[in-house]
Amino acid sequence: DAGVTQSPTHLIKTRGQQVTLRCSPKSGHDTVSWYQQALGQGPQFIFQYYEEEERQRGNFPDRFSGHQFPNYSSELNVNALLLGDSALYLCASSFSFPGLAGRGDNEQFFGPGTRLTVL
Amino acid sequence: GQNIDQPTEMTATEGAIVQINCTYQTSGFNGLFWYQQHAGEAPTFLSYNVLDGLEEKGRFSSFLSRSKGYSYLLLKELQMKDSASYLCAVRGANFNKFYFGSGTKLNVKP
Repeated sequence: DAGVTQSPTHLIKTRGQQVTLRCSPKSGHDTVSWYQQALGQGPQFIFQYYEEEERQRGNFPDRFSGHQFPNYSSELNVNALLLGDSALYLCASSFSFPGLAGRGDNEQFFGPGTRLTVL
Repeated sequence: GQNIDQPTEMTATEGAIVQINCTYQTSGFNGLFWYQQHAGEAPTFLSYNVLDGLEEKGRFSSFLSRSKGYSYLLLKELQMKDSASYLCAVRGANFNKFYFGSGTKLNVKP
């Protein structure tokens, strides 16, 4: 059973460029969340996708957009890259409506991340 | 707003016990999670608390007090491989958003 996968592993871009990151959720999961993690910080919630729609969004500008496909995989797009966008981008998958009694359903599983460097 | 606080860094000795504290103030609560993250790697799930009390899982235990907005992660019989960052995360009211603290970097010394 494959876990959460992300591609690419590393990416180097220059300011002003656009980038697309990809994520495939763990088998059986239908919800994908994206996080940005700057060095020495905890992950910051960007947005979450369920049923191919953005269900929840964090405090990130519109330059950050996403998409979810019918097979539950997801993409994160960042336009007009800034130096400050350099970070580890994490994808996490989960069940859409976890039951409190089913503890195994409650956790998010993280992918290995994409390290984005903006020069 | 959401606020999750945990110490920045801690040091402990191999074989010892260490407690990592987390305090939170969030609009809505549906569970508190602890994750371990080694440098350059993705966070991995350690524990989950939604009701007050202690959850034990091998060498790791996690405690929650919802009235105090407080949790701790207890690591026993520390091993060198436990050197990592430990992230406290709260799931918000609508189950959809997780709010993470900045993480506690634990250094285990021989």
